[in-house]
Amino acid sequence: EVQLVESGGGLVQPGASLKLSCVASGFTFSDYWMSWVRQTPGKTMEWIGDIKYDGSYTNYAPSLKNRFTISRDNAKSTLYLQMSNVRSEDTATYYCTTDLYWGQGVMVTVSS
Amino acid sequence: DIVMTQGALPNPVPSGESASITCQSSKSLLHSNGKTYLNWYLQRPGQSPQLLIYWMSTRASGVSDRFSGSGSGTDFTLKISSVEAEDVGVYYCQQFLEYRTFGGGTKLELK
Repeated sequence: EVQLVESGGGLVQPGASLKLSCVASGFTFSDYWMSWVRQTPGKTMEWIGDIKYDGSYTNYAPSLKNRFTISRDNAKSTLYLQMSNVRSEDTATYYCTTDLYWGQGVMVTVSS
Repeated sequence: DIVMTQGALPNPVPSGESASITCQSSKSLLHSNGKTYLNWYLQRPGQSPQLLIYWMSTRASGVSDRFSGSGSGTDFTLKISSVEAEDVGVYYCQQFLEYRTFGGGTKLELK
């Protein structure tokens, strides 16, 4: 069974940093480009960025490029999203996805 | 950025009727390789999105043949024939020609 399990979310203060993880199982993780997508409380879907299967290349949404970093560890079948200088507008549910496979999402709330 | 604009449905849709969801892109998604870089997803209440259609018209594995995708370079339609209770949710189109952007979503409610 394919599973993507995100973790690392929670309540964080504005300006802080946070690192999300996504552990994959049930498929060959190292064969897939992986993406992070977030969904705001108002249900707007926003693509954050993606990373090539070997980790050698990343793309980011231009508006988020300077604060978010995507990485992966194929030996651990794990995808990461490093978020820095978070803002209230980063409050959302964060998903890791291959397009076909999606995690259940992890909530991040930015508030003082 | 490529902007994706989705139309609304005349909700609620009677069970067994067909429904068509429209999506328009601000730039042609037709690549020189002949493929159109458009996905359709369904997000059922309380669930993660599910890929329905990729390359504008190819159904993902396990997706009912009641779902079909069509369109041109900038105008797209997801058709659901004979709507059922399990089709309720929000439908999103997504372009992946230049980075990725989603439409605002189209809600389907059942009568």
